[in-house]
Amino acid sequence: GEDVEQSLFLSVREGDSSVINCTYTDSSSTYLYWYKQEPGAGLQLLTYIFSNMDMKQDQRLTVLLNKKDKHLSLRIADTQTGDSAIYFCAETTYSSASKIIFGSGTRLSIRP
Amino acid sequence: DAGVTQSPTHLIKTRGQQVTLRCSPKSGHDTVSWYQQALGQGPQFIFQYYEEEERQRGNFPDRFSGHQFPNYSSELNVNALLLGDSALYLCASSRGQGTYEQYFGPGTRLTVT
Repeated sequence: GEDVEQSLFLSVREGDSSVINCTYTDSSSTYLYWYKQEPGAGLQLLTYIFSNMDMKQDQRLTVLLNKKDKHLSLRIADTQTGDSAIYFCAETTYSSASKIIFGSGTRLSIRP
Repeated sequence: DAGVTQSPTHLIKTRGQQVTLRCSPKSGHDTVSWYQQALGQGPQFIFQYYEEEERQRGNFPDRFSGHQFPNYSSELNVNALLLGDSALYLCASSRGQGTYEQYFGPGTRLTVT
């Protein structure tokens, strides 16, 4: 079946790295995504990775994919107060086509 | 380059009424998908429109319908509103059917009383 799981909360000190984790159940995933949602706003596509890749780096963001364990992570280096938001892990699969399946989101809180 | 736009921003309706939400895709995009995001949840896929036809549908009742116009803009209609329809409705656009990059608008917050 299609299911994406994330932990609900993460608190990180400003300047440290944040690591947000996600697991998914469908082994036929095609793309895996990270979206960011700030209060009262829509979703911002941060980055995505094709399912045959292990890693993708984009400035402060690093995505790691462990396909064997169906585990995806997002690392944010040098976390800033502007990174406070809800982060959604999501996937598309061969059966879902272009329907994006989202997790429930991880709320990232930055402490001084 | 305008991104995805949605109107209205907020809407309050009474149970049993009907509502229409609107979406204009990002410039150069021809495919529109609609999602419902309940409070504290991730978005749930409602349906997708491409070439003015519904191409894919999620697990939503027939009370949810849509339309796509020749200029690629789209409407989401919900009939016989229920309290449980209160949510943020998000529109996403992409270039071509089945593409993996979908860009979201700011959403319409619907409250049903």
